[in-house]
Amino acid sequence: GENVEQHPSTLSVQEGDSAVIKCTYSDSASNYFPWYKQELGKGPQLIIDIRSNVGEKKDQRIAVTLNKTAKHFSLHITETQPEDSAVYFCAASMGPMDSSYKLIFGSGTRLLVRP
Amino acid sequence: DTGVSQDPRHKITKRGQNVTFRCDPISEHNRLYWYRQTLGQGPEFLTYFQNEAQLEKSRLLSDRFSAERPKGSFSTLEIQRTEQGDSAMYLCASSLKGQVDTIYFGEGSWLTVV
Repeated sequence: GENVEQHPSTLSVQEGDSAVIKCTYSDSASNYFPWYKQELGKGPQLIIDIRSNVGEKKDQRIAVTLNKTAKHFSLHITETQPEDSAVYFCAASMGPMDSSYKLIFGSGTRLLVRP
Repeated sequence: DTGVSQDPRHKITKRGQNVTFRCDPISEHNRLYWYRQTLGQGPEFLTYFQNEAQLEKSRLLSDRFSAERPKGSFSTLEIQRTEQGDSAMYLCASSLKGQVDTIYFGEGSWLTVV
């Protein structure tokens, strides 16, 4: 089955700097890659996603890139702010190859933005 | 708030007791998912419903776990004879028929088995 690996497990940056989180997936049939932000004691919040027919997507300070050949995708956060501090999860889905469209998650990256 | 709603948010129970969690998905979302998340890990898929039909169950869902979605609206997840290893956050999520891969999560139900 699909396996998603995420790096780094922790990331500390100075406010205003950029942060990059990387994920790799194992199954080339995966075609949908969302990113979630999870704050302490809360559920995961969808922040951006990308599909396999697109190489890059941007939403204000957040961008995601996808390299299908290498089977990896990355989250880029520019001009980081203290409120960006949270745990970020990448995920992959093989829908419609997998009719459940279930998400396989990475192990998470704890991002700390120092004021 | 029209997001995914879960109840209770926190539950402490003694080993061997039964617990039940409820999930109300986003209105008109026909797919409903249950995931489990332990500390320091990403969520893991347990099961999902399309309308009232439970279409897939993970091997993580032992015989002590049962989920229902009787009228295709809210869902319940029951854990019988709880064990300490069941301590985790149980997340409910839903998606819309026309955007099945865009999955929205609730705030989760924390279970602590003592």
